[in-house]
This record gives sequence, structure tokens and C-alpha cells, in this order.
Amino acid sequence: GQNIDQPTEMTATEGAIVQINCTYQTSGFNGLFWYQQHAGEAPTFLSYNVLDGLEEKGRFSSFLSRSKGYSYLLLKELQMKDSASYLCAVRDPDSGSARQLTFGSGTQLTVLP
Amino acid sequence: SQTIHQWPATLVQPVGSPLSLECTVEGTSNPNLYWYRQAAGRGLQLLFYSVGIGQISSEVPQNLSASRPQDRQFILSSKKLLLSDSGFYLCAWMDRAPEAFFGQGTRLTVV
Repeated sequence: GQNIDQPTEMTATEGAIVQINCTYQTSGFNGLFWYQQHAGEAPTFLSYNVLDGLEEKGRFSSFLSRSKGYSYLLLKELQMKDSASYLCAVRDPDSGSARQLTFGSGTQLTVLP
Repeated sequence: SQTIHQWPATLVQPVGSPLSLECTVEGTSNPNLYWYRQAAGRGLQLLFYSVGIGQISSEVPQNLSASRPQDRQFILSSKKLLLSDSGFYLCAWMDRAPEAFFGQGTRLTVV
């Protein structure tokens, strides 16, 4: 089975740095994804980690430790527009050609002025 | 470039009425296609996926069905809606890249 945990809510201040954690307990692992979802909109892809370490994309970075079943998304220089839900998702290697993703419930980030 | 179209954006339907949501993808061939549902404040629940024309796999037993009549068309249907079918429905596609891309979503309210 798949179990993905992330905090329900976080609050941070504009210009600050915030780290959103995700832990997973899955029967297999074939990649971890982070998506951003603004209220009422579709999720948009942020990052993908399949090997241990840090992936950096501008203000956003994502880290993965497969041995610990742990990832985090790091957002730097927070802007008001970063207020959104951040979804962690894991790919099930047993899903074969279906390449299914299992999503966590999301972390609602509120950026305050 | 690839694009995904999903419609309608919002829908209010009475209990017991039928449902048809459509999703089409452009700019790719033989993609994997997915239907997800998201309840308020929750994560995405995979409902159906398809790896090819006419190939549908269901992840959870429910009041819904899916069909893929063409390579880049994915349809979500119901013969009789229930109140519990309310939610945000998202179509997604995936090809050779690892990530999935989502349509704009349909907000369904069953009254």
C-alpha cells in the first residue's frame, strides 16, 4: 500500500524561507513529485526526484532521501502568490505501464505580508 | 506543444441525472490518461486510468465509469449521480516524461 504524510497547514512571511516536509511509506518507489495547486485550479508540476539529493529550480528546491522515505520542498524568497496547496506524490513501480501517482492530502501554505 | 482541454469548468446537476465529462489532449500520441477526484481540502484520488484506446482500469468501486473512444479522448460518465459524487474532477495525461499534466478541472455539485 501507499501512505503519504505531509502537514495540513503552514504559515510563513513574505520574503522568508519555508520547508514543507513529506514522508512516505510505500510498497515500492519510483520517483517523488511536488505539485502546486491554487484554490479552484489544477495542480501544476514543480519538481521530480528519483535519486537522493537536492534538485534546485529557481526559488524552489526539492530534496529526497529514499532510505528515510522523506522529502521536502524548500521555497525561498516567499511571495504572496506562493500561497497555495503543495501536493507530494509518489509513483508506484508496481503500476507498470500505468505509472500511477499516489498523492498526499496537500499542505496549505499561507504567505502573510 | 502539448495541451489538455477539460470541460465544462463547473456543473450543477440534480441527484439521479446522468453525467458526461470530456477531456482531450493535443500534441502527443498514445498518452496515459487519468481521471482524479478531489474532495474539498483533500488530496487527489485516482478513479480511472487508461494506457490505450478502449483500455480502462478502475481504481475504486463507484458510481462512475470511463471510456476512451479515441487515442486522445477520455470521458467520465455516470448514469445516475449521487450526492457523494460532488467534487473537483481532474483529467491528467502522461507520456514519456515522468510528470503528469492536469486539465483545468470540473467542479461538480450534485444537488
